[in-house]
Amino acid sequence: AQKVTQAQTEISVVEKEDVTLDCVYETRDTTYYLFWYKQPPSGELVFLIRRNSFDEQNEISGRYSWNFQKSTSSFNFTITASQVVDSAVYFCALRDPGGFKTIFGAGTRLFVKA
Amino acid sequence: DVKVTQSSRYLVKRTGEKVFLECVQDMDHENMFWYRQDPGLGLRLIYFSYDVKMKEKGDIPEGYSVSREKKERFSLILESASTNQTSMYLCASSFGTDYSNQPQHFGDGTRLSIL
Repeated sequence: AQKVTQAQTEISVVEKEDVTLDCVYETRDTTYYLFWYKQPPSGELVFLIRRNSFDEQNEISGRYSWNFQKSTSSFNFTITASQVVDSAVYFCALRDPGGFKTIFGAGTRLFVKA
Repeated sequence: DVKVTQSSRYLVKRTGEKVFLECVQDMDHENMFWYRQDPGLGLRLIYFSYDVKMKEKGDIPEGYSVSREKKERFSLILESASTNQTSMYLCASSFGTDYSNQPQHFGDGTRLSIL
């Protein structure tokens, strides 16, 4: 069965600290897709990144970076020099090819204090 | 930018009522989804539609039905609302027939309370 685990329920940091959000997934498929979404207090989930299982390159986008490691079934998300606007709930998600179901983790709530 | 609009941000209904949640997307997306979000459980899929009048059950379809008469509109119906359906409901849409690798675009959510 597919599963996504975000073990960190809540994280609190002070502005300008770096923070890493963990995501561990389980799947029997060899091809699959991983996603990260951000849900700010307004409620709308915002797509951040998609990664397919054949692409293990790490990705950096501004202050955001993602570390995908198939060997440990992890897809971790790091925010460098965090800002108050980064405060949100972050979801990691998994989808298999041909499937319409997305398996979401329980989410990690990030508080960034000024 | 894709816009997914949910008809209400907050809704309060009574047990036993028939409740309609409406969702409209403006980007001609083929696929539309209804999720419910509960603390500690993440998002769980209720129903999915890949075309007009087509639907597939998600993980928790019991007590819900859906309607998709037009491509841009996807309605979630609580046939007889119960208190355990109090939740945040999120609508999403995505592009294309290869929906497995497409990101979903979400609405702001409807916080539904059943009294």
